[in-house]
Amino acid sequence: SAVISQKPSRDICQRGTSLTIQCQVDSQVTMMFWYRQQPGQSLTLIATANQGSEATYESGFVIDKFPISRPNLTFSTLTVSNMSPEDSSIYLCSLIGVNTEAFFGQGTRLTVV
Amino acid sequence: KQEVTQIPAALSVPEGENLVLNCSFTDSAIYNLQWFRQDPGKGLTSLLLIQSSQREQTSGRLNASLDKSSGRSTLYIAASQPGDSATYLCAVQGGKLIFGQGTELSVKP
Repeated sequence: SAVISQKPSRDICQRGTSLTIQCQVDSQVTMMFWYRQQPGQSLTLIATANQGSEATYESGFVIDKFPISRPNLTFSTLTVSNMSPEDSSIYLCSLIGVNTEAFFGQGTRLTVV
Repeated sequence: KQEVTQIPAALSVPEGENLVLNCSFTDSAIYNLQWFRQDPGKGLTSLLLIQSSQREQTSGRLNASLDKSSGRSTLYIAASQPGDSATYLCAVQGGKLIFGQGTELSVKP
């Protein structure tokens, strides 16, 4: 199994500011995934991050709002930019292991005030 | 478009009861189905992974079944404990991982 370290675990931010969430993996993986879980909702895929290329965003998500970096095969960041209260959610990073099992980070609980 | 539905949305049981959580999906062209546990405000913990060629998987007090042809999966929890209280999510993978809305389980002492 893979171990994903995600931080911060939670944060309270002022509207109009940005927050960068980091995920570190204990092994090299080609693709990492970023999800958003709005209050009371299930998980929605934001984007897929490949090392060495631009992230692929799902419908409804744009790079200007959620820029992603993937500098190497063990690390990725997601930035939530120009935040508003509607961005208050849990953000999660994920990967698919060699046996197709999905693993998730501990989540970042973001509150925008 | 794949849709995943979980029933019930919430469940409250007394400690010691056996219980079943249900998951259904609309497109049977999946690679696998996975059950997760999520504690409030936290990330997801993988419980069981069932490959599309498998019928069931067991881990301790948990047993998950998969009937791909009918688009259904069940998670059976034996002898429930208060520590089992959490939200349980199922997800199917057929390219992307598609999640159900979850079942919020409360086990009362």
